[in-house]
Amino acid sequence: EPEVTQTPSHQVTQMGQEVILRCVPISNHLYFYWYRQILGQKVEFLVSFYNNEISEKSEIFDDQFSVERPDGSNFTLKIRSTKLEDSAMYFCASSGGDEQYFGPGTRLTVT
Amino acid sequence: QQQVKQSPQSLIVQKGGISIINCAYENTAFDYFPWYQQFPGKGPALLIAIRPDVSEKKEGRFTISFNKSAKQFSLHIMDSQPGDSATYFCAASGGFQKLVFGTGTRLLVSP
Repeated sequence: EPEVTQTPSHQVTQMGQEVILRCVPISNHLYFYWYRQILGQKVEFLVSFYNNEISEKSEIFDDQFSVERPDGSNFTLKIRSTKLEDSAMYFCASSGGDEQYFGPGTRLTVT
Repeated sequence: QQQVKQSPQSLIVQKGGISIINCAYENTAFDYFPWYQQFPGKGPALLIAIRPDVSEKKEGRFTISFNKSAKQFSLHIMDSQPGDSATYFCAASGGFQKLVFGTGTRLLVSP
């Protein structure tokens, strides 16, 4: 069964450093999303991406964040200058319609 | 108006019992209502979903009940098993758009 994959599973970085989180969506899906979940809290939407452009973004997704689909398979989330409050689980999701399928997540720890 | 309210926050059910989790929404533009199951350290897994043109959908031991006029929907887990112990999130979206998640319900099924 096709699944969304994410790398790395855990990333530790120092405050102010740049991080890139990588995702490989399900191959025939056209809609891609990033969500985050702070420990013990609900899942929050960050950004959606369709047809090589951002279709919607949340207030969380400020100028420090960017997304890219550098080739036909990868979808990346970049945080330019990490803050302590960026520590969270980051989930990539993809869909071919209504159903969104989530990856296993990247745990980002900012020290 | 974008919120999805979920209750209870936590739930303890005996093995074989029925687990019931409730959600309410305000935005009438929402037309897709999925439930996700999340185990610790894992990504949300799509469990079952419903559209507002039906009042109930059943898949195995999982049933969604939907009340369009009250803007409420609920998940029923019949014959609950210890393996069902997880956090359950309701969500809502409108047409290929972001999912708005509820706050989650931590279910514990006691043996």
